[in-house]
Amino acid sequence: DQQVKQNSPSLSVQEGRISILNCDYTNSMFDYFLWYKKYPAEGPTFLISISSIKDKNEDGRFTVFLNKSAKHLSLHIVPSQPGDSAVYFCAPNALNNAGNMLTFGGGTRLMVKP
Amino acid sequence: GAGVSQSPRYKVAKRGQDVALRCDPISGHVSLFWYQQALGQGPEFLTYFQNEAQLDKSGLPSDRFFAERPEGSVSTLKIQRTQQEDSAVYLCASHPNTNTEAFFGQGTRLTVV
Repeated sequence: DQQVKQNSPSLSVQEGRISILNCDYTNSMFDYFLWYKKYPAEGPTFLISISSIKDKNEDGRFTVFLNKSAKHLSLHIVPSQPGDSAVYFCAPNALNNAGNMLTFGGGTRLMVKP
Repeated sequence: GAGVSQSPRYKVAKRGQDVALRCDPISGHVSLFWYQQALGQGPEFLTYFQNEAQLDKSGLPSDRFFAERPEGSVSTLKIQRTQQEDSAVYLCASHPNTNTEAFFGQGTRLTVV
């Protein structure tokens, strides 16, 4: 049973437009939510996070929104750039875990067309 | 080094062969995780170390998988009698302490033929 779902395996947007990547989760113990970006043949790199006490966190072109009641979060990239083309993983965490074990979604491949 | 280093980058093993995958975390990082990423899927947790102590190994798929971190720095993931279903990218991640984001290595792509 998947605890974290990213229902869009791929997304294609035009350069300069907004990219919206969605993530749904089922585990109500998750209270810290991270997004990772992955280029081919590289490991995931941290992009942005949000704590469950917030509903929005913004960092430059990247904004993450959290709707706890719906157990849904989304990552907005605006404006999208060709260099943003990568696989994006939603990875929630429960801070009372021993350590910081991440539960990853299946990823969304974003393609930004010039 | 500046980041998490994994070796080898690529490994082809014949079915039944034993393999050892190495992870050099960022110096001073207390926590170390191993994840397995099958093709087209997200990484899945295998095991977790805090310093030299293996605190969680609930994600290891079978007793053919073994991980160690004897001196609290370098870690080795060993897979005995490899099977085709073991083919995946094995990712190592380290954290300086709890409640911080993970730094991942580039991964080792294991192909069992």
